[in-house]
Amino acid sequence: EDQVTQSPEALRLQEGESSSLNCSYTVSGLRGLFWYRQDPGKGPEFLFTLYSAGEEKEKERLKATLTKKESFLHITAPKPEDSATYLCAVSTEGVGGTSYGKLTFGQGTILTVHP
Amino acid sequence: DTEVTQTPKHLVMGMTNKKSLKCEQHMGHRAMYWYKQKAKKPPELMFVYSYEKLSINESVPSRFSPECPNSSLLNLHLHALQPEDSALYLCASSPAGRRSGQPQHFGDGTRLSIL
Repeated sequence: EDQVTQSPEALRLQEGESSSLNCSYTVSGLRGLFWYRQDPGKGPEFLFTLYSAGEEKEKERLKATLTKKESFLHITAPKPEDSATYLCAVSTEGVGGTSYGKLTFGQGTILTVHP
Repeated sequence: DTEVTQTPKHLVMGMTNKKSLKCEQHMGHRAMYWYKQKAKKPPELMFVYSYEKLSINESVPSRFSPECPNSSLLNLHLHALQPEDSALYLCASSPAGRRSGQPQHFGDGTRLSIL
C-alpha cells in the first residue's frame, strides 16, 4: 500500500528563518511527486512536480528536491504570507492500465511564519 | 483565481434536501475528480472521471451521485445526506492519457453544512 508521511505536523518560524519540510514516501511505480499549498477555506494550489531522484524545482522562496525515498520543501527567508498548510502527494501507476494517476496525500505540514 | 470553478461556494442543506454541486474547467483536461476534505485532514478521493466515463468510485455512499455531462463539467448530486457529510468538497482536473504523472488542479471547493 502506498504511504506518504509528512513532518513536522506543524512548524513555527520567525520571518527570515529558513527551514525545510519533509515528505517521506513508500510507493510502487512512482509517476510523480507533487507539492501543494493550501490556505484556510481554499483548495490546494499546485506548486511543483518532481519526477525523478535528483530533480529540483524553485519558485520564489521555495525549492523542492527529490530522492528515492523522500522530498524536501526548502523555504528560504520566509515571510508571513508563506503561512499555509503544505501538502505532499504522490501519483502512482494508473489502476488497471487506465489513464490517470491516483493521488496519495500526506497529512500536511501547517507552517506559521511570525513577523 | 483558480482555473477550476466550483459553485456554490457555500451550501447549507437539511437531511431531506436534494442539491447539486457544480464544477467547470476550461483547460482541456479529460480527467476530473471529486474529493472530500474534513478539517485539518488531506483531501480524500471520492470519484474519478476519465474521458467523461466514471473510472473510480471509492466506495462512496449512494447518497452522492456524480455526473459528467461533457468534458468541461462535473456535477455532484446530493440527496439525504447525513451530518457527518459536512465538509469541503473539492473538484480537480488533470490531463488524462498515458502520462498519468500530471498534476491535478483544484478549485476552491464548496463548503457544505448539513443541518
